[in-house]
Amino acid sequence: ILNVEQSPQSLHVQEGDSTNFTCSFPSSNFYALHWYRWETAKSPEALFVMTLNGDEKKKGRISATLNTKEGYSYLYIKGSQPEDSATYLCAFKAAGNKLTFGGGTRVLVKP
Amino acid sequence: DVKVTQSSRYLVKRTGEKVFLECVQDMDHENMFWYRQDPGLGLRLIYFSYDVKMKEKGDIPEGYSVSREKKERFSLILESASTNQTSMYLCASSQGADYYGYTFGSGTRLTVV
Repeated sequence: ILNVEQSPQSLHVQEGDSTNFTCSFPSSNFYALHWYRWETAKSPEALFVMTLNGDEKKKGRISATLNTKEGYSYLYIKGSQPEDSATYLCAFKAAGNKLTFGGGTRVLVKP
Repeated sequence: DVKVTQSSRYLVKRTGEKVFLECVQDMDHENMFWYRQDPGLGLRLIYFSYDVKMKEKGDIPEGYSVSREKKERFSLILESASTNQTSMYLCASSQGADYYGYTFGSGTRLTVV
């Protein structure tokens, strides 16, 4: 089982502030890195699938970067809003392996 | 809007019961997955299927089996439910290789008493 770690486990953000958090994964045999947002009582929703070193993806106020050589991805939320409160999951796929999820970062945006 | 539908949102079963969790997708996806989510452990893969009548074990298959008789339906079976199978169960589907994001159901919270 591959080790995928997310940090921090949880964070509180003031409305309007920007924040970021990390997903760490093995730096060998990279195939793809997924990010999901999971709001309470809803289904996890795919945000990004990243496949190339140096990839940057953006969706509204949320963006992500990828460094496959050192094995990390950052997710950024600019100008956090209460609706950004959710658990953010990353998932790593090595070549020939199944997708492995991290434990998630739980974000709470305070008005 | 594409959908993965899980038959029950909440379920309470007794120890030793045979439990069926149903999942249906309407996107004609080849791949379907069953995960369980426990606090602090992330999503762990139980079983997956890349085609009808095909199944492969994930990381934690013990105590579970699956059935995929039709492309759109993937069932998770707890042969004899135990209290350590109390968890949130998530079904997901995807197309092709893992360059595409997974579409998840809304989950079934199973409590075994």
